[in-house]
Amino acid sequence: AQSVTQLGSHVSVSEGALVLLRCNYSSSVPPYLFWYVQYPNQGLQLLLKYTSAATLVKGINGFEAEFKKSETSFHLTKPSAHMSDAAEYFCAVSRSYNTDKLIFGTGTRLQVFP
Amino acid sequence: GAVVSQHPSRVICKSGTSVKIECRSLDFQATTMFWYRQFPKKSLMLMATSNEGSKATYEQGVEKDKFLINHASLTLSTLTVTSAHPEDSSFYICSAEAGGDTEAFFGQGTRLTVV
Repeated sequence: AQSVTQLGSHVSVSEGALVLLRCNYSSSVPPYLFWYVQYPNQGLQLLLKYTSAATLVKGINGFEAEFKKSETSFHLTKPSAHMSDAAEYFCAVSRSYNTDKLIFGTGTRLQVFP
Repeated sequence: GAVVSQHPSRVICKSGTSVKIECRSLDFQATTMFWYRQFPKKSLMLMATSNEGSKATYEQGVEKDKFLINHASLTLSTLTVTSAHPEDSSFYICSAEAGGDTEAFFGQGTRLTVV
Protein backbone atom coordinates (compact mmCIF):
# COMPACT_ATOMS: atom_id res chain seq x y z
CA ALA A 1 0.00 0.00 0.00
CA GLN A 2 1.07 3.57 -0.59
CA SER A 3 0.29 6.80 1.23
CA VAL A 4 1.60 10.30 1.68
CA THR A 5 1.43 12.61 4.66
CA GLN A 6 1.75 16.34 4.35
CA LEU A 7 2.71 17.98 7.61
CA GLY A 8 0.99 21.28 8.10
CA SER A 9 -2.23 22.16 6.34
CA HIS A 10 -1.20 25.84 6.32
CA VAL A 11 2.22 27.41 5.94
CA SER A 12 2.84 31.15 6.03
CA VAL A 13 6.04 32.85 4.96
CA SER A 14 7.18 36.35 4.18
CA GLU A 15 8.04 37.32 0.65
CA GLY A 16 11.68 36.47 0.03
CA ALA A 17 11.80 33.84 2.78
CA LEU A 18 12.52 30.15 2.34
CA VAL A 19 9.56 27.94 1.50
CA LEU A 20 9.54 24.43 2.97
CA LEU A 21 6.55 22.15 2.48
CA ARG A 22 6.87 18.75 4.02
CA CYS A 23 5.84 15.42 2.56
CA ASN A 24 6.52 11.95 3.89
CA TYR A 25 5.57 8.83 2.04
CA SER A 26 4.94 5.19 2.72
CA SER A 27 5.37 2.62 -0.02
CA SER A 28 6.02 -1.10 -0.22
CA VAL A 29 7.58 -0.66 -3.66
CA PRO A 30 9.98 1.95 -5.01
CA PRO A 31 7.84 5.07 -5.18
CA TYR A 32 7.36 7.69 -7.80
CA LEU A 33 6.67 11.02 -6.14
CA PHE A 34 5.05 14.18 -7.41
CA TRP A 35 4.31 17.72 -6.29
CA TYR A 36 1.34 19.57 -7.73
CA VAL A 37 0.20 23.15 -7.26
CA GLN A 38 -3.37 24.36 -7.45
CA TYR A 39 -4.14 28.04 -7.83
CA PRO A 40 -7.64 29.27 -6.95
CA ASN A 41 -10.26 28.07 -9.40
CA GLN A 42 -7.68 26.27 -11.51
CA GLY A 43 -6.68 22.67 -12.10
CA LEU A 44 -3.68 20.95 -10.58
CA GLN A 45 -0.38 21.71 -12.28
CA LEU A 46 2.62 19.41 -12.05
CA LEU A 47 5.55 21.15 -10.34
CA LEU A 48 8.03 18.30 -10.40
CA LYS A 49 8.33 14.55 -10.13
CA TYR A 50 10.81 12.02 -8.81
CA THR A 51 11.29 8.95 -10.98
CA SER A 52 14.54 7.57 -9.50
CA ALA A 53 16.84 9.28 -12.01
CA ALA A 54 18.14 11.82 -9.49
CA THR A 55 17.37 12.42 -5.83
CA LEU A 56 17.31 16.21 -6.20
CA VAL A 57 14.58 17.21 -8.58
CA LYS A 58 14.18 20.69 -9.98
CA GLY A 59 10.77 21.85 -11.07
CA ILE A 60 9.07 24.88 -12.45
CA ASN A 61 8.88 28.30 -10.81
CA GLY A 62 12.12 27.77 -8.87
CA PHE A 63 10.86 24.88 -6.77
CA GLU A 64 12.87 21.77 -6.04
CA ALA A 65 12.47 18.65 -3.93
CA GLU A 66 14.87 16.10 -2.57
CA PHE A 67 14.07 12.41 -2.28
CA LYS A 68 15.46 10.99 0.94
CA LYS A 69 14.85 7.29 1.20
CA SER A 70 16.26 7.02 4.73
CA GLU A 71 13.74 9.60 5.92
CA THR A 72 10.96 8.54 3.51
CA SER A 73 10.61 12.21 2.66
CA PHE A 74 10.15 14.35 -0.42
CA HIS A 75 10.01 17.90 0.90
CA LEU A 76 9.41 20.80 -1.46
CA THR A 77 11.55 23.91 -1.16
CA LYS A 78 12.05 27.28 -2.77
CA PRO A 79 14.83 29.61 -1.63
CA SER A 80 12.83 32.81 -1.93
CA ALA A 81 9.06 33.02 -1.82
CA HIS A 82 7.14 35.21 -4.19
CA MET A 83 3.62 36.51 -3.73
CA SER A 84 2.56 34.52 -6.77
CA ASP A 85 3.53 31.27 -4.99
CA ALA A 86 0.44 31.51 -2.77
CA ALA A 87 -1.58 28.40 -3.61
CA GLU A 88 -2.47 24.89 -2.48
CA TYR A 89 0.28 22.31 -2.85
CA PHE A 90 -0.27 18.58 -3.07
CA CYS A 91 2.24 15.78 -2.70
CA ALA A 92 1.38 12.51 -4.43
CA VAL A 93 2.80 9.01 -4.82
CA SER A 94 2.36 6.45 -7.54
CA ARG A 95 3.60 3.01 -8.45
CA SER A 96 4.45 4.16 -11.97
CA TYR A 97 6.39 6.96 -13.61
CA ASN A 98 3.39 8.39 -15.32
CA THR A 99 0.64 9.99 -13.38
CA ASP A 100 -2.17 7.51 -13.29
CA LYS A 101 -3.46 6.10 -9.99
CA LEU A 102 -2.01 8.94 -7.97
CA ILE A 103 -2.43 8.87 -4.20
CA PHE A 104 -2.55 12.40 -2.88
CA GLY A 105 -1.76 14.00 0.43
CA THR A 106 -4.23 16.34 2.09
CA GLY A 107 -2.57 19.44 0.72
CA THR A 108 -0.78 22.43 2.21
CA ARG A 109 -1.99 25.95 1.70
CA LEU A 110 0.90 28.37 1.30
CA GLN A 111 0.38 32.00 2.20
CA VAL A 112 2.96 34.61 1.33
CA PHE A 113 2.94 37.91 3.16
CA PRO A 114 4.55 41.07 1.82
CA GLY B 1 0.94 22.15 -20.94
CA ALA B 2 -2.20 20.70 -22.38
CA VAL B 3 -5.59 22.03 -21.35
CA VAL B 4 -8.32 20.04 -19.66
CA SER B 5 -11.59 21.81 -19.07
CA GLN B 6 -14.30 20.84 -16.62
CA HIS B 7 -17.85 22.07 -16.73
CA PRO B 8 -19.55 23.31 -14.69
CA SER B 9 -17.13 24.74 -12.15
CA ARG B 10 -19.90 24.94 -9.56
CA VAL B 11 -23.31 23.30 -9.41
CA ILE B 12 -26.08 23.19 -6.84
CA CYS B 13 -28.76 20.56 -7.18
CA LYS B 14 -31.66 19.23 -5.16
CA SER B 15 -31.59 15.89 -3.42
CA GLY B 16 -32.80 13.10 -5.64
CA THR B 17 -31.84 14.73 -8.89
CA SER B 18 -28.94 13.80 -11.15
CA VAL B 19 -26.12 16.05 -12.23
CA LYS B 20 -23.63 15.63 -15.05
CA ILE B 21 -20.06 16.91 -14.99
CA GLU B 22 -18.05 17.13 -18.20
CA CYS B 23 -14.32 16.77 -18.64
CA ARG B 24 -12.83 17.77 -21.98
CA SER B 25 -9.31 17.62 -23.31
CA LEU B 26 -9.11 20.71 -25.50
CA ASP B 27 -5.90 20.24 -27.43
CA PHE B 28 -5.06 16.54 -27.28
CA GLN B 29 -6.74 13.18 -27.50
CA ALA B 30 -7.16 11.60 -24.11
CA THR B 31 -7.09 7.83 -24.21
CA THR B 32 -7.48 7.70 -20.45
CA MET B 33 -9.31 9.96 -18.05
CA PHE B 34 -9.42 9.82 -14.29
CA TRP B 35 -12.04 11.09 -11.86
CA TYR B 36 -11.09 12.18 -8.36
CA ARG B 37 -13.12 13.34 -5.42
CA GLN B 38 -11.90 15.65 -2.70
CA PHE B 39 -13.58 15.93 0.67
CA PRO B 40 -12.97 19.02 2.81
CA LYS B 41 -9.50 18.91 4.33
CA LYS B 42 -8.95 15.48 2.83
CA SER B 43 -6.87 14.05 0.03
CA LEU B 44 -8.02 13.76 -3.53
CA MET B 45 -9.21 10.18 -3.90
CA LEU B 46 -9.28 8.36 -7.21
CA MET B 47 -12.82 7.26 -8.00
CA ALA B 48 -12.43 5.63 -11.38
CA THR B 49 -10.35 5.30 -14.50
CA SER B 50 -11.99 5.45 -17.89
CA ASN B 51 -10.60 4.48 -21.26
CA GLU B 52 -12.23 5.68 -24.45
CA GLY B 53 -14.79 3.24 -25.73
CA SER B 54 -14.73 0.89 -22.77
CA LYS B 55 -16.30 0.63 -19.34
CA ALA B 56 -14.76 2.57 -16.50
CA THR B 57 -12.76 0.81 -13.81
CA TYR B 58 -13.96 1.88 -10.39
CA GLU B 59 -11.90 1.95 -7.23
CA GLN B 60 -12.96 -0.11 -4.29
CA GLY B 61 -15.83 1.44 -2.39
CA VAL B 62 -17.08 3.62 -5.23
CA GLU B 63 -20.66 2.87 -6.28
CA LYS B 64 -20.80 2.24 -10.02
CA ASP B 65 -24.53 2.82 -10.26
CA LYS B 66 -24.34 6.10 -8.42
CA PHE B 67 -21.36 7.58 -10.24
CA LEU B 68 -21.87 6.85 -13.91
CA ILE B 69 -18.85 7.48 -16.08
CA ASN B 70 -18.94 7.67 -19.84
CA HIS B 71 -15.89 8.14 -22.06
CA ALA B 72 -17.51 8.13 -25.45
CA SER B 73 -14.88 10.07 -27.35
CA LEU B 74 -11.17 10.82 -27.14
CA THR B 75 -11.87 14.33 -25.88
CA LEU B 76 -14.82 13.94 -23.54
CA SER B 77 -15.61 12.03 -20.39
CA THR B 78 -18.67 12.63 -18.24
CA LEU B 79 -19.42 11.85 -14.63
CA THR B 80 -23.08 11.66 -13.69
CA VAL B 81 -24.00 11.67 -10.03
CA THR B 82 -27.37 9.94 -9.93
CA SER B 83 -30.01 10.48 -7.27
CA ALA B 84 -27.73 12.92 -5.50
CA HIS B 85 -27.76 13.25 -1.73
CA PRO B 86 -26.15 15.87 0.53
CA GLU B 87 -23.32 13.46 1.34
CA ASP B 88 -22.37 13.54 -2.35
CA SER B 89 -21.47 17.20 -1.97
CA SER B 90 -17.80 17.43 -2.75
CA PHE B 91 -15.14 18.71 -5.12
CA TYR B 92 -14.76 16.51 -8.20
CA ILE B 93 -11.64 16.74 -10.38
CA CYS B 94 -10.83 14.99 -13.62
CA SER B 95 -7.51 14.41 -15.29
CA ALA B 96 -6.69 13.24 -18.79
CA GLU B 97 -3.65 11.69 -20.42
CA ALA B 98 -2.78 10.88 -23.99
CA GLY B 99 -1.46 7.43 -23.20
CA GLY B 100 1.91 5.78 -22.79
CA ASP B 101 4.22 7.47 -20.33
CA THR B 102 2.67 10.88 -20.78
CA GLU B 103 1.67 13.23 -18.00
CA ALA B 104 -1.95 13.52 -16.96
CA PHE B 105 -3.38 17.04 -17.00
CA PHE B 106 -6.03 18.13 -14.53
CA GLY B 107 -9.22 20.05 -14.96
CA GLN B 108 -10.09 22.93 -12.65
CA GLY B 109 -12.58 20.89 -10.68
CA THR B 110 -16.31 21.05 -10.03
CA ARG B 111 -17.80 22.01 -6.68
CA LEU B 112 -21.04 20.04 -6.23
CA THR B 113 -23.47 21.05 -3.52
CA VAL B 114 -26.56 18.94 -2.97
CA VAL B 115 -29.31 20.65 -0.98
